[in-house]
Amino acid sequence: AQSVTQLDSQVPVFEEAPVELRCNYSSSVSVYLFWYVQYPNQGLQLLLKYLSGSTLVKGINGFEAEFNKSQTSFHLRKPSVHISDTAEYFCAVSHAGNNRKLIWGLGTSLAVNP
Amino acid sequence: SQTIHQWPATLVQPVGSPLSLECTVEGTSNPNLYWYRQAAGRGLQLLFYSVGIGQISSEVPQNLSASRPQDRQFILSSKKLLLSDSGFYLCAWNGLQTYEQYFGPGTRLTVT
Repeated sequence: AQSVTQLDSQVPVFEEAPVELRCNYSSSVSVYLFWYVQYPNQGLQLLLKYLSGSTLVKGINGFEAEFNKSQTSFHLRKPSVHISDTAEYFCAVSHAGNNRKLIWGLGTSLAVNP
Repeated sequence: SQTIHQWPATLVQPVGSPLSLECTVEGTSNPNLYWYRQAAGRGLQLLFYSVGIGQISSEVPQNLSASRPQDRQFILSSKKLLLSDSGFYLCAWNGLQTYEQYFGPGTRLTVT
């Protein structure tokens, strides 16, 4: 069975500092990987996705993630965060034949402080 | 372009009352549709998903039910709400041959 682990439940960081949000997954088949962002009292917004091809994926708002098959990881990075990046971030995984359902991590709360 | 709507945005209901939340998608055909619940501001729990009209799969046994009367309409219902049904309910869709899901704005349900 697939599972997703987000290793940090909370990440505090100062404005303009770099940040990495960690995500590891377990799966016996090829996977598709996603990062979503959720601002308070809103729905989730897709940040970026890995389906195939280049392992470095660039998304919206200056975020990027790298798929590492040997380490079964898909960490999210941003070189310089802004106050407006304060939000909840979710990692998710899917695979072919799963009725296109997503398996979700529990989320990481990013708090950007001035 | 595709859009997804949910209503109402907020709802306060007493224990034992019925529930009906509606989700509609525009700009696509034959989407997969999903209902999630998010409790205490964390984590997403998949409640139901649907691959077509009248086709509903339940992920978690509970006092909620779902229906899909039309291709782009997904309804979440309950006959009698429990306190534990409080939470943030999210509807999502994905299209043919795609895996990423797109979410509606959510409904905040408080059961008192």
